Amino acid sequence: AQSVTQLGSHVSVSEGALVLLRCNYSSSVPPYLFWYVQYPNQGLQLLLKYTSAATLVKGINGFEAEFKKSETSFHLTKPSAHMSDAAEYFCAVRVNAGKSTFGDGTTLTVKP
Amino acid sequence: DSGVTQTPKHLITATGQRVTLRCSPRSGDLSVYWYQQSLDQGLQFLIQYYNGEERAKGNILERFSAQQFPDLHSELNLSSLELGDSALYFCASSVGTGNTIYFGEGSWLTVV
Repeated sequence: AQSVTQLGSHVSVSEGALVLLRCNYSSSVPPYLFWYVQYPNQGLQLLLKYTSAATLVKGINGFEAEFKKSETSFHLTKPSAHMSDAAEYFCAVRVNAGKSTFGDGTTLTVKP
Repeated sequence: DSGVTQTPKHLITATGQRVTLRCSPRSGDLSVYWYQQSLDQGLQFLIQYYNGEERAKGNILERFSAQQFPDLHSELNLSSLELGDSALYFCASSVGTGNTIYFGEGSWLTVV
């Protein structure tokens, strides 16, 4: 069975600072990995996905994530945080058709 | 706008009652997924349908049931509601069973 661990339920950064949201997964087979963002009172929006092509994946809004098999990680980064990035971020893994398993989410706060 | 439509957006009902949540997937998507997001359980996969047939089942209670109709819309039925069923219920859809899933805005259910 696959699982996802997001390290840190809350992350706070200053505007302009680096954003790093951590995600580790466990899977017995090569996974597909996703990052979703949830703004207040909205549904989950796909940020980016890894599907066994390039290990560095670029997504929307300047976010990117790097798949590191040796570390079973898929951390999400953004060089410079904006106030509008404040939201909850979910990492997800899918190893078979259909079911995706989500992490518990990380709430990102951006301070002016 | 993901293209996934959920109704109603908000619903308040009493314990013991039954409600139906409705989902229209993105045009062309054959798979529909239901997720429950609550404060204590995070984002939990409930069930998936593909082209009218149940494909995968997660942590769905026996009091809950779902179906996907020939026109591909789906309904999630929640019965004998308890206070703990209060949550945000998401529907998501994808083209097939191994593709990226896209989420609706969710249906807020409050059980009082």
